[in-house]
Amino acid sequence: EDKVVQSPLSLVVHEGDTVTLNCSYEVTNFRSLLWYKQEKKAPTFLFMLTSSGIEKKSGRLSSILDKKELFSILNITATQTGDSAIYLCAVGGSNTGKLIFGQGTTLQVKP
Amino acid sequence: EPEVTQTPSHQVTQMGQEVILRCVPISNHLYFYWYRQILGQKVEFLVSFYNNEISEKSEIFDDQFSVERPDGSNFTLKIRSTKLEDSAMYFCASSGLGSGANVLTFGAGSRLTVL
Repeated sequence: EDKVVQSPLSLVVHEGDTVTLNCSYEVTNFRSLLWYKQEKKAPTFLFMLTSSGIEKKSGRLSSILDKKELFSILNITATQTGDSAIYLCAVGGSNTGKLIFGQGTTLQVKP
Repeated sequence: EPEVTQTPSHQVTQMGQEVILRCVPISNHLYFYWYRQILGQKVEFLVSFYNNEISEKSEIFDDQFSVERPDGSNFTLKIRSTKLEDSAMYFCASSGLGSGANVLTFGAGSRLTVL
């Protein structure tokens, strides 16, 4: 059975800290891994990763994929209170756009 | 920025009633999806829709569920006879073609409460 597992499930840090969120997967026919940020509304897209070892960056956020070890990490440097959210990892394993989601990591950034 | 819009934002219904959740996907997207998230659980895939037909569906998407694209803009999810366990947040999403097919844009969700 396909599965995506995220860790930790929750994390509390202070502003300025750096955090690393983990996502491991077991999916047949892997096509891509995506990170989303979910606040009190729609999950918003952060990154899509398809190739191993190529870091994607957007401001203070970065992510990398390891297709040999079947995991990805999402790094957030110099965290801000606005980074508080649930971070979702999802893997695409078919050509129909179906995504398999992990449980999410709830990040709380304290002032 | 283009967005996926969903209505209603919250619906309360009695068990056994029919509900229709509505979505307006991004206009140039061709793939449409419904996902759901029961409180405290993972986001789960329900169904994908392309070229006016279902392209994939999950085990959750049984005969009580149906989807329709009644016109050129709306995409609906119908639950014929709601059960208590259908209470969840339902997300509509859409995506484009090619490498963008896996980059889903989600709506804000419709929270369904079945009493």
